[in-house]
Amino acid sequence: DTAVSQTPKYLVTQMGNDKSIKCEQNLGHDTMYWYKQDSKKFLKIMFSYNNKELIINETVPNRFSPKSPDKAHLNLHINSLELGDSAVYFCASSQDLVADTDTQYFGPGTRLTVL
Amino acid sequence: GNSVTQMEGPVTLSEEAFLTINCTYTATGYPSLFWYVQYPGEGLQLLLKATKADDKGSNKGFEATYRKETTSFHLEKGSVQVSDSAVYFCALSLDSSYKLIFGSGTRLLVRP
Repeated sequence: DTAVSQTPKYLVTQMGNDKSIKCEQNLGHDTMYWYKQDSKKFLKIMFSYNNKELIINETVPNRFSPKSPDKAHLNLHINSLELGDSAVYFCASSQDLVADTDTQYFGPGTRLTVL
Repeated sequence: GNSVTQMEGPVTLSEEAFLTINCTYTATGYPSLFWYVQYPGEGLQLLLKATKADDKGSNKGFEATYRKETTSFHLEKGSVQVSDSAVYFCALSLDSSYKLIFGSGTRLLVRP
């Protein structure tokens, strides 16, 4: 009964390729997020969606395009992958938008390696 | 800007030792403060939180007190176990904000 799941867990690809990471939550939450964790473990928000609408876009390059087909899914598509995109990407969800009162639940992460 | 600073790791302790992981923050306004834990191979889990000054968050033997005067939220545990080995992240969010701002994480390694 996984709460927030991501696929794949590991992704190794060549520069210039296009790839997608999928995220699903079965918690009935309205809000979903993508975070990027770099090699130094810095964790930074990329996007958040509430009821399938984009709420936060933290100056992420437009090669990154999130897609939310329904409230339970938030997929991340990356075009023209670059070496600097190598990182661990975490999906998360929360019941509502307000970060200071709503607990965010994280998926296990997808480690992306661009060669 | 708003930010969180954590002590550099790794922190290596023997089982049953006392743990402190320092966390300080810079924020405009009055943030809520959080500690998240990431066990090997897993995603982050909320460990504890405090939403106003002088509040103490606690869970699984861990505690942290929101100190507005020193802008700190240090994590403590009286007696660590091997199973506490993980990466610990301090984070903040501001009133009605839609995101968490994380520190860089501190790796804790507890030896038997």
